[in-house]
Amino acid sequence: NAGVTQTPKFQVLKTGQSMTLQCAQDMNHEYMSWYRQDPGMGLRLIHYSVGAGITDQGEVPNGYNVSRSTTEDFPLRLLSAAPSQTSVYFCASSRQGKSFYYGYTFGSGTRLTVV
Amino acid sequence: TQLLEQSPQFLSIQEGENLTVYCNSSSVFSSLQWYRQEPGEGPVLLVTVVTGGEVKKLKRLTFQFGDARKDSSLHITAAQPGDTGLYLCAGQGAQKLVFGQGTRLTINP
Repeated sequence: NAGVTQTPKFQVLKTGQSMTLQCAQDMNHEYMSWYRQDPGMGLRLIHYSVGAGITDQGEVPNGYNVSRSTTEDFPLRLLSAAPSQTSVYFCASSRQGKSFYYGYTFGSGTRLTVV
Repeated sequence: TQLLEQSPQFLSIQEGENLTVYCNSSSVFSSLQWYRQEPGEGPVLLVTVVTGGEVKKLKRLTFQFGDARKDSSLHITAAQPGDTGLYLCAGQGAQKLVFGQGTRLTINP
C-alpha cells in the first residue's frame, strides 16, 4: 500500500528552467492537492482537484500549472522557475464525504532549489 | 481568505510537563484536523474533529473543537521526548484545507 508517491525527492533548477513534479496515489481518492511549505509560513495551497478533469487554484497558484487526466495522477508543472519557488512541495489526497472531508494523506515531499 | 493562527510557534519544555497548543480563526470550518510532521517527511494526520464542542483523546493527547467551530486546542499530558515534532492544525473550508503556521515542539529529557 504505497499511499501518495512523489518524485523526485530533491531537485536543483536554474532560473528559467521548467520541470514537472510527479504525484501518484493508489487509494482511489477523488481529491488531490499541492502545497508548498516555507519556514514560518505553514503549508500554502497551490492548486487542487476534486476529480479527473477538474482543477482549481489555491492561495498561491502563480507560476504553476496542473492537470488531472486520471484519478491517480496529479502533476505540478513549473513553467519558468524562479528563486522564489525554492521550497518543499507536498502532494496530498483525500476522499470526499458529505459536508466535511476525511483526513488528508501526504507524500514525503520534493525539496526544490532554484539557483 | 480563511486564516488560522496557531500559538505558540515554538515551545520547549521538560519531559513530564503538560502543554497546550492553540489554533484560532475568525472563520467557521466544517472540520478541524491536527497533523504531526517529522523532519524530511510529510504531515501525518493525528485526528479530525467535526462537531462543535467535540473532544477526542489519543493516548496522552487531547483535542478539542470550539463550540462555534472556529478554534481548536491540543493538550499533551506528561510530555515525552518522542512527542518532539512540528504540530499543524488545519481547517477544512469549501474544498480547501487551510493550515496554521505550525508549532515546533521540543521535549527535553
